[in-house]
Amino acid sequence: DAKTTQPNSMESNEEEPVHLPCNHSTISGTDYIHWYRQLPSQGPEYVIHGLTSNVNNRMASLAIAEDRKSSTLILHRATLRDAAVYYCIPAYSGAGSYQLTFGKGTKLSVIP
Amino acid sequence: KAGVTQTPRYLIKTRGQQVTLSCSPISGHRSVSWYQQTPGQGLQFLFEYFSETQRNKGNFPGRFSGRQFSNSRSEMNVSTLELGDSALYLCASTLAPGAVNEQFFGPGTRLTVL
Repeated sequence: DAKTTQPNSMESNEEEPVHLPCNHSTISGTDYIHWYRQLPSQGPEYVIHGLTSNVNNRMASLAIAEDRKSSTLILHRATLRDAAVYYCIPAYSGAGSYQLTFGKGTKLSVIP
Repeated sequence: KAGVTQTPRYLIKTRGQQVTLSCSPISGHRSVSWYQQTPGQGLQFLFEYFSETQRNKGNFPGRFSGRQFSNSRSEMNVSTLELGDSALYLCASTLAPGAVNEQFFGPGTRLTVL
């Protein structure tokens, strides 16, 4: 499994953009980069994933470095509901079984 | 579309007992994975099922087992419970195996072993 490095914690002011970095320098060429978040007392929630190109959805944007050794999750306007632990997970895309290997993630605090 | 449901939501057992947890995936999803979350170890993969077959298993003792039924519903069983098995057990469903697909998690079952 590819190793990931994320900041332990980050803070953001409400309604400001947030850039959550992730280093995954050992990622293989076929691993997708997934981001999940976990709000307090809830199960993890899918945020976004991508392979090579930048991706956008209604929740966030994912910017993937050209060499794929790092990525950044972008929340365009942080709300109080975005306070959570964010996990960056390289996931193998082969035909074999598929598991998510969670690290410690980044705890995001949003300040009103 | 209904999300992933897990029953029961809370469970209290004593050491040595066994427990069965249930997971109903999102309609149409055929792959189910189980994870254990503890404060010390974080989220750890237990096993994955697809088409009633266990495709992958994490590094857990044989006391942890599971199965999947033809309707894709899944159960996991822990026998001879230990204090260290106290955790949040999470089930996730996905359309089919493969990292191109996202996983959808249920709310979890909180197991307390006394």
